[in-house]
Amino acid sequence: SQQGEEDPQALSIQEGENATMNCSYKTSINNLQWYRQNSGRGLVHLILIRSNEREKHSGRLRVTLDTSKKSSSLLITASRAADTASYFCATENAGGTSYGKLTFGQGTILTVHP
Amino acid sequence: SQTIHQWPATLVQPVGSPLSLECTVEGTSNPNLYWYRQAAGRGLQLLFYSIGIDQISSEVPQNLSASRPQDRQFILSSKKLLLSDSGFYLCAWSHGGGSDTQYFGPGTRLTVL
Repeated sequence: SQQGEEDPQALSIQEGENATMNCSYKTSINNLQWYRQNSGRGLVHLILIRSNEREKHSGRLRVTLDTSKKSSSLLITASRAADTASYFCATENAGGTSYGKLTFGQGTILTVHP
Repeated sequence: SQTIHQWPATLVQPVGSPLSLECTVEGTSNPNLYWYRQAAGRGLQLLFYSIGIDQISSEVPQNLSASRPQDRQFILSSKKLLLSDSGFYLCAWSHGGGSDTQYFGPGTRLTVL
């Protein structure tokens, strides 16, 4: 099964509102990353949070990581119509030699209405 | 700056035909390279990864193979396509050593009929 599972599967909000997406995983990790994908395009990296970090910010993005609960959340503040996309979490498992391999979740489809 | 290219962008192939998808990276050396497949509306499944020329590992048993003839070139192939090979194929690279961001190409949409 997928290491990362996002919740909700789909989220529909109005412009200006905040959007929160959650990710849960099963095993110990080196880091957790969030990616964005516009329809039919490649993925774009948003933010990486390491296992010894609890919170990171990048512009309107805020990511938290709770390793005791094996969960992460991505908050997008003051959303815009251009934020409409699919958002994926991905984990790099701890232990051994991972070679940077990532395990992706199924994603959250975010729709921001103007 | 680094860039990653994939081609073709779209491909429609009959069942049983061969496949060759190409991925090249510019502006970096000795990258880790990855091939993913994405089924419609779902997450990415890692197919192959490579940490160097002729060093390729397969993550899942399948009808596909990968090769890395040059440091920054990664090729995904099949001798005979199956219907189940349809999907969106994404190539990605990262700096060697792990624990780093992956940078994705634009992808190839493959339809097997």
